[in-house]
Formats: sequence, C-alpha cells, structure tokens
Amino acid sequence: EAQVTQNPRYLITVTGKKLTVTCSQNMNHEYMSWYRQDPGLGLRQIYYSMNVEVTDKGDVPEGYKVSRKEKRNFPLILESPSPNQTSLYFCASSAPGHYGYTFGSGTRLTVV
Amino acid sequence: LAKTTQPISMDSYEGQEVNITCSHNNIATNDYITWYQQFPSQGPRFIIQGYKTKVTNEVASLFIPADRKSSTLSLPRVSLSDTAVYYCLVGSLIYNQGGKLIFGQGTELSVKP
Repeated sequence: EAQVTQNPRYLITVTGKKLTVTCSQNMNHEYMSWYRQDPGLGLRQIYYSMNVEVTDKGDVPEGYKVSRKEKRNFPLILESPSPNQTSLYFCASSAPGHYGYTFGSGTRLTVV
Repeated sequence: LAKTTQPISMDSYEGQEVNITCSHNNIATNDYITWYQQFPSQGPRFIIQGYKTKVTNEVASLFIPADRKSSTLSLPRVSLSDTAVYYCLVGSLIYNQGGKLIFGQGTELSVKP
C-alpha cells in the first residue's frame, strides 16, 4: 500500500531533550515536507526537500532540523524542544508534476 | 506563491451540491491550483488539481476561469461524511519551487441531515 509513515504517533517529552520524528514513504517520491498544525494557525510548512541532500526552509523552520540522506526518509529533528513546539506534525510526499501530496497520519508532540 | 482567500465556513444539507470559491489574485503562469480535504486530527487528503478550465474526478469538479484569479471546488450531492475543512492552495510547476506549499485557513464545511 502506498503510504507515508510517521513515528511515533504520540510523544510526550521534556524541554531540552533531543528527539527525532521519523518519516518514510514507499512511493519513490522526490518531494517531501514537514508541517505543523496549531489551532487558529492552520498548517504551516517547516522544511521541504526536493531530492536527496536538497532541503529548504519553509515558513517556520526555527528550532527544527531535517536531513534527506535517502530518498524514502525525511526525519524531523528537534535538538532542544521547547513548549512552543507542542503541536500536531505531518509529513508529506509527492512526485514532481504528480497530482497531490500524500500525508502521513500525524505525530502529536507535547513538550513539557 | 500566491496567497489564497476562501470563506471561513459554509453550511449545507445532505444531497445538495456545494461550491467553495477560492481567490488567488497573484497566481503566476507556472502555478497550478490544488484542493485538499482534512478531517480532525488526520492528515490532509488530496482531492483535485487543475491549471485551467475544468477538471473532474470521481469526487469533485474544479472550475477555473480564463484569468485563473479564482477557482471553485464543486462537491456534488454532499453527505454527512463530507463535513471537513477544505483547503485551496497554489503550487508551482517549476521543479525547484514545487516543494513549497502554503496552506490558508481553509473552509470549514458543515453538512447537516
């Protein structure tokens, strides 16, 4: 089944403890991206990648890192999480010119 | 990328056709229009995409006038399960700009029995 898989689905962590949210797609898509969704603020793009080793900042990149060492994986790294990074995170992938992004099921992160 | 403007909310009844209009005045020649549906706590789901005129698939139609400054998503005969938030986005067909997508506030559609 074609899909984008995020892990974990839920995560509670403490301020300053580094964490990684994984994202993997099995559709050989070149484009991948990360979004966060907050009440009243909608979906905001954090980072995106157009291919292996090619990444760029979205609208809210501060406090996040990404890497794209393999085509199928695009992990989101929070080096020192803070409470304002408590949010619902989505990973997505697409092929250039292909119709539509496929989104993962989401990761609900709570930083206390 | 062009910003989009759409109604914050809409109400409808089961069996009716729903039309949601989106404004994207600054759309560029290499931009396309795409629509997504999102249910609470789920990732957005792609509905339809187009460049000009009309596009139809099994769930919706997309109407784009000649000036491309707006677009209308048409959902035929909605049911309760169509209650969701609908997002209109503008994306770029240029390869090194294609990764960036900007979501607006979306339209919260409520379908009543």
